[in-house]
Amino acid sequence: SYELTQPPSVSVSPGQTARITCSGDALPKQYAYWYQQKPGQAPVLVIYKDSERPSGIPERFSGSSSGTTVTLTISGVQAEDEADYYCQSADSSGTYEVFGGGTKLTVL
Amino acid sequence: QVTLKESGPVLVKPTETLTLTCTVSGFSLSNARMGVSWIRQPPGKALEWLAHIFSNDEKSYSTSLKSRLTISKDTSKSQVVLTMTNMDPVDTATYYCARIWRVPATAIGWFDPWGQGTLVTVSS
Repeated sequence: SYELTQPPSVSVSPGQTARITCSGDALPKQYAYWYQQKPGQAPVLVIYKDSERPSGIPERFSGSSSGTTVTLTISGVQAEDEADYYCQSADSSGTYEVFGGGTKLTVL
Repeated sequence: QVTLKESGPVLVKPTETLTLTCTVSGFSLSNARMGVSWIRQPPGKALEWLAHIFSNDEKSYSTSLKSRLTISKDTSKSQVVLTMTNMDPVDTATYYCARIWRVPATAIGWFDPWGQGTLVTVSS
């Protein structure tokens, strides 16, 4: 079955830029989405259709796509951004959705 | 305001069938642009998509769990029901329902918002 690959962890200092990648063979064909999940809470959508930001999501969150890799970028990271981040997309035939394994963002 | 709320048993025994209900408000299950998905998360582990259903009753299931899952909806009650047969301790997880926004002309989409989730433990 189709898989999306994320790094298990990323660490940055406050005010720095965090970049979280997600790789998958079907990403050139399917949109990617990103979710933030804080401990004990449900996931929240932070990026949709590769680079669109939902209303209410801070401008420091952005998304980009290049070939088989998509990237979530958080500029000027704040302590409140510490969370798990999951990418989501679909298989190449557009039959089912899939999540990446998640990346734990630590703000040092 | 759009909300989704999961309900169902907190404890099931191995081999039993799990039935979960998602009650939605703030949007209609007859809206062609959206539907409802179920997603689960074992303790300390990643999210796993399970199934979704759209307004036209179009359904899709996880390939690895397809034989055990059934999703259905009752538009008049604003409810979506997921059943999972032959439960095993490895199915212990928080089960979420979420609104899925359909990518036009496809059977897939993205999830927003999510319900609070319900923890289901499988144990004898």
